[in-house]
Amino acid sequence: RKEVEQDPGPFNVPEGATVAFNCTYSNSASQSFFWYRQDCRKEPKLLMSVYSSGNEDGRFTAQLNRASQYISLLIRDSKLSDSATYLCVVNEPGGSYIPTFGRGTSLIVHP
Amino acid sequence: ETGVTQTPRHLVMGMTNKKSLKCEQHLGHNAMYWYKQSAKKPLELMFVYSLEERVENNSVPSRFSPECPNSSHLFLHLHTLQPEDSALYLCASSQEAGRGEKLFFGSGTQLSVL
Repeated sequence: RKEVEQDPGPFNVPEGATVAFNCTYSNSASQSFFWYRQDCRKEPKLLMSVYSSGNEDGRFTAQLNRASQYISLLIRDSKLSDSATYLCVVNEPGGSYIPTFGRGTSLIVHP
Repeated sequence: ETGVTQTPRHLVMGMTNKKSLKCEQHLGHNAMYWYKQSAKKPLELMFVYSLEERVENNSVPSRFSPECPNSSHLFLHLHTLQPEDSALYLCASSQEAGRGEKLFFGSGTQLSVL
């Protein structure tokens, strides 16, 4: 099974900033993509699904670029509470679709 | 009540002990998973069950033994573990297995092997 790559960061940004993360995947047959958020010592929680046409949920925008095999997450107007690790998940075919996690990107939003 | 509950939250065990982790999901899902999360590493898939049948086993050492008595309960039996097995063990569920669906996680068991 191939890898899902993320820049571990940390991304250190001031409140109100816009920040973007990318996640690359190597298996072109991958289907269904997600972003999860994980706070320190807590479980991952679903942030949003990533659709082919791109999707937005409030300050968060997710995009899929199949040609270059990456997904992205854009956070606008960062809040202190956005500080967390953001995990991308790619479902890779291997008989059936198995969720494969990236290492995660750490975001620190400071006052 | 949360959708996926795991017990215990913390576990310290010696290398000769036998213990079990428990997971229960209240979401009516048909698939359940065990993941291992070590520091600085991605989540590693250990086992996948679909309707109580194991459908994925990612070359996990035999000192980890899963059990799925029904679609709502999942256990991970541990015996003769090694210090490198210390990690956060996460249970998850999804509506079905193998269809690329979203996962719902329990709060995890932080395991320390001495």
